[in-house]
Amino acid sequence: DIVMTQSPDSLPVSLGERATITCKSSQSVLYSSNNENYLAWYQQKPGQPPKLLIYWASTRESGVPDRFSGSGSGTDFTLTISSLQAEDVAVYYCQQYYTTPITFGQGTRLDIK
Amino acid sequence: QVQLVQSGAELKKPGSSVKVSCKASGGTFSSYAISWVRQAPGQGLEWMGGIIPIFGPANYAQNFQGRVTITADESTSTAYMELSSLRSEDTAFYYCASTGIAAGYRYFDYWGQGTLVTVSS
Repeated sequence: DIVMTQSPDSLPVSLGERATITCKSSQSVLYSSNNENYLAWYQQKPGQPPKLLIYWASTRESGVPDRFSGSGSGTDFTLTISSLQAEDVAVYYCQQYYTTPITFGQGTRLDIK
Repeated sequence: QVQLVQSGAELKKPGSSVKVSCKASGGTFSSYAISWVRQAPGQGLEWMGGIIPIFGPANYAQNFQGRVTITADESTSTAYMELSSLRSEDTAFYYCASTGIAAGYRYFDYWGQGTLVTVSS
């Protein structure tokens, strides 16, 4: 199984500041035949199912604010929120879909400093 | 646009089984993968397995192999997840999720509302 490891586990950030979450996979999730990274990011707020933010490592889902961006390739990925808003307080997960079993990172709790 | 609507909360005794349904609308049900994801209280997300109805047999995560059965009824566009030999550690929200397109197992842009299964004597 591909193990996904996020850091940090908890991240306090001031409003308006940048938030950066990293995700590392135990093996590459870059598929050479199409040069796509099979990596997604989700946001989950209490009492709600996860919400897709980013897929193919850097493609923003429709309707997601452009302050959210994804980057990285191979085994190392980053989710960046350029200017933290109060509504961004949530738990964030990365997920690989390169192969089954699909696996998620352990989650990063983002809150206001 | 795909919508996934799950069955309601369940209270089960240890050792029993639970069957959760996920009714899909929109898209072509038989051709897209439906996955089941578990989330214990205060914990992370865990993929249990999935099914692509047009291809038949489900694909299971090793942690659940032998205890979970995922099926799909194309006539009603409904997927099912049955978990047997329940124990207290199975208390969790169970979500169905899909990408709604015929592309195998991918990211999940559509989620059910979640079904809370509580296992308690």
